[in-house]
Amino acid sequence: NAGVMQNPRHLVRRRGQEARLRCSPMKGHSHVYWYRQLPEEGLKFMVYLQKENIIDESGMPKERFSAEFPKEGPSILRIQQVVRGDSAAYFCASSPPAFEQFFGPGTRLTVL
Amino acid sequence: SQKIEQNSEALNIQEGKTATLTCNYTNYSPAYLQWYRQDPGRGPVFLLLIRENEKEKRKERLKVTFDTTLKQSLFHITASQPADSATYLCALDSSNTGKLIFGQGTTLQVKP
Repeated sequence: NAGVMQNPRHLVRRRGQEARLRCSPMKGHSHVYWYRQLPEEGLKFMVYLQKENIIDESGMPKERFSAEFPKEGPSILRIQQVVRGDSAAYFCASSPPAFEQFFGPGTRLTVL
Repeated sequence: SQKIEQNSEALNIQEGKTATLTCNYTNYSPAYLQWYRQDPGRGPVFLLLIRENEKEKRKERLKVTFDTTLKQSLFHITASQPADSATYLCALDSSNTGKLIFGQGTTLQVKP
């Protein structure tokens, strides 16, 4: 059973471009969480999704950020018009309907 | 305000000794608390979960305690090894939805 997969592992964007981060949860997991880790800071919750539903997006910035988890395919975290402050590691985690979360390796976004 | 705090200073210990890491929280009433390990450039890896009605939990060389009166969890690694060197994160679920709130993490360095 493959673990949580994220791609790309590293993403470089110029200011104003769009960043798309993908997360494939572990097989059988229906819950996906996105977290952001800024340099020298802890992990911060962004959004919690189940298939086709956003359950909790209280950690998402109000503008430019969106997330989806379609019926088929990976979960996508989309950042429009990126700014330098968006540079961070973005982690996806998945879980079955339980408590333990399995994290992916992360996508490191660098905005030039 | 709600806070979850871990020792921000790195913990340096000698191989073979017991490492003790602290996690304190305020203005939360979590049903459970989790501990994760994170190595540089990698996603967090789940270690242990302890529920509010459990005082102590063990897994091999790891032991976690949970004191809901003190609002504190202690994480112990006995007979520590250099391979235990990593950042250890505590996390709690504030809303019982799986949305995790993480502490800043404590970096442990075990010297041979």
